[in-house]
Amino acid sequence: EIVLTQSPGTLSLSPGERVTLSCRASQSISSNYLVWYQQKPGQAPRLLIYGATTRATAIPDRFSGSGSGTDFTLTISRLETEDCAVYYCQQCGNLLPYTFGQGTKLEIK
Amino acid sequence: QVHLQESGPGLVKPSETLSLTCTVSGGSISTYYWTWIRQPPGKGLEWIGYIHHTGIINYNPSLKSRVTISVDTSKNQFSLNLSSVTAADTALYYCARHRGTNFDYWGQGTLVTVSS
Repeated sequence: EIVLTQSPGTLSLSPGERVTLSCRASQSISSNYLVWYQQKPGQAPRLLIYGATTRATAIPDRFSGSGSGTDFTLTISRLETEDCAVYYCQQCGNLLPYTFGQGTKLEIK
Repeated sequence: QVHLQESGPGLVKPSETLSLTCTVSGGSISTYYWTWIRQPPGKGLEWIGYIHHTGIINYNPSLKSRVTISVDTSKNQFSLNLSSVTAADTALYYCARHRGTNFDYWGQGTLVTVSS
């Protein structure tokens, strides 16, 4: 099973700031299979980024993904209050089981 | 626009079977794969399994002995059965569309509590 470790666990930032969230895999995975989701309080997760770098439909270009091998990042270039959420990475490839990271909680001051 | 809606009992007794159905609208269930994910209160996400209408099924090994996922194409629904439940199975259960390398549409989730 591929273990995904996200860091930091929680962070608190101000609107307009730039933030980078990390997702580290216990073994190398294809970039095609690295996914990021956003989960706001009381809501289902929403697809943000797939294939490590491709934004999903209607996702603003403030969100970007990068990385390869075992190290992946999600960057939000200019934080807005609506970005307050928990962000999860997932590996969704041909190695089962699919797994999620434990999440990074982003608070906006 | 694809829409998914989970339905089923919100309370299940220990040792009994949890049964949920996901109804898909706005698209045919005979396209793509379909999946279940759960989230214990205040915790992270756990993938349960997926199904394709052709009969391809895969489960998380941690749950494999207790899980059955099935599909009813005539009703555009797929279902989850989880047997011998305990309090550890208390969670929000989500269904989602599995587009090969990601889950792009999710239901709103349904809370299932295991308690006597």
